[in-house]
Amino acid sequence: QAQLVQSGAEVKKPGASVKVSCKTSGYTFTSYAMHWVRQAPGQRLEWMGWINTGNDNTEYSQKFQGRVTITSDTSATTAYMELSSLRSEDTAVYYCARDRSVATIHYFDYWGQGTLVTVSS
Amino acid sequence: DIQMTQSPSSLSASIGDRVTITCRTSQSISNYLNWYLQKPGEAPKLLIYATSSLQSGVPSRFSGGGSGTDFTLTIRRLQPEDFATYYCQQSHNTPWTFGQGTKVEIK
Repeated sequence: QAQLVQSGAEVKKPGASVKVSCKTSGYTFTSYAMHWVRQAPGQRLEWMGWINTGNDNTEYSQKFQGRVTITSDTSATTAYMELSSLRSEDTAVYYCARDRSVATIHYFDYWGQGTLVTVSS
Repeated sequence: DIQMTQSPSSLSASIGDRVTITCRTSQSISNYLNWYLQKPGEAPKLLIYATSSLQSGVPSRFSGGGSGTDFTLTIRRLQPEDFATYYCQQSHNTPWTFGQGTKVEIK
């Protein structure tokens, strides 16, 4: 059974950066890509980007391009999402989600518990 | 970006009811459509992938259908644990996008 455990809640000031971790267990880390999805209060889920944990290739949503960096540490079986130049609109719960695919159809089969990031002066 | 519109945004139903939620996309996505359930304070949980394939462990009262731009999630015989918010999600093009959610409440 795969498990994804995220780091704890963060409070940041506008302009700062935040780095959220997603520690995995129960499966071969490099066999599955990892996505990051966020959810602002009362809003829909929003895909931020993903990383191929086998070769570290990444793809980001244009909305976050230049501000988000997704990385992974194979030895630690952990994925990371760093978001910079934070503003109040970035206040949200951030989730990591494991990629699964059938043919070319991708979906998120396991999710972390979520990390609340609050941006406030 | 592909826009996702769910209807209704909320509904009230009773235990044992049959419920259908619709998801419409702004362009054709073939069958690249997934459904998730989310309860307050919890992470989303995968219900259905590739339009109609039931995720392992998900009760058979859940079913999905559609193709192109119009999709449905049906819950037969609604159970107490089914009261939650449901999201559709497309993986045809990045950025992958979600519907705004349908909240299913107890009548």
